[in-house]
Amino acid sequence: ETGVTQTPRHLVMGMTNKKSLKCEQHLGHNAMYWYKQSAKKPLELMFVYNFKEQTENNSVPSRFSPECPNSSHLFLHLHTLQPEDSALYLCASSQDLGRGGEKLFFGSGTQLSVL
Amino acid sequence: GQSLEQPSEVTAVEGAIVQINCTYQTSGFYGLSWYQQHDGGAPTFLSYNALDGLEETGRFSSFLSRSDSYGYLLLQELQMKDSASYFCAVPSGNTPLVFGKGTRLSVIA
Repeated sequence: ETGVTQTPRHLVMGMTNKKSLKCEQHLGHNAMYWYKQSAKKPLELMFVYNFKEQTENNSVPSRFSPECPNSSHLFLHLHTLQPEDSALYLCASSQDLGRGGEKLFFGSGTQLSVL
Repeated sequence: GQSLEQPSEVTAVEGAIVQINCTYQTSGFYGLSWYQQHDGGAPTFLSYNALDGLEETGRFSSFLSRSDSYGYLLLQELQMKDSASYFCAVPSGNTPLVFGKGTRLSVIA
């Protein structure tokens, strides 16, 4: 148990569906992240939030829409996805948005399949 | 920009020692981190090196040479449960951790 909980664990959706991924951290951290993990590719940083404010959008398509209502919760809203968006989506948190040294705590991820 | 290179796969025998290398190119280096991820699991933090030299934590050690832009993770007394993927990671500029593609370690009997 890392203290970061993601739901659902698995999600299958059609290209016209709208769904949301949820992440909750119980660690009192100030920074939260979304990463995408595809087969044979490195973990790709998607979004970063620090004290509920988005600090990084790593050229992510607009069909992915993040939301951070408070420092403990992070959502990723999905709509009109493509099959190539099928991947493991990982949420992480850290105490602060530092440089180096900041230990990231990851959730177990949502395995997304887009049909 | 930034890039990290690490071997894609390594196989080692139970009880042996294995070294996983990582070379990096990044603007504004602050330190090298290592994470472990078992199949179906979450990546978990293993170590962080900000200064040159060796950091030891139990069976795992991590080394950094900033002048060579190089580091490695050393796993001793390998156990079957060490079979996992290992990622090196660096921050770059204002961007938090950027990860390498990972090294899949298989420990065999």
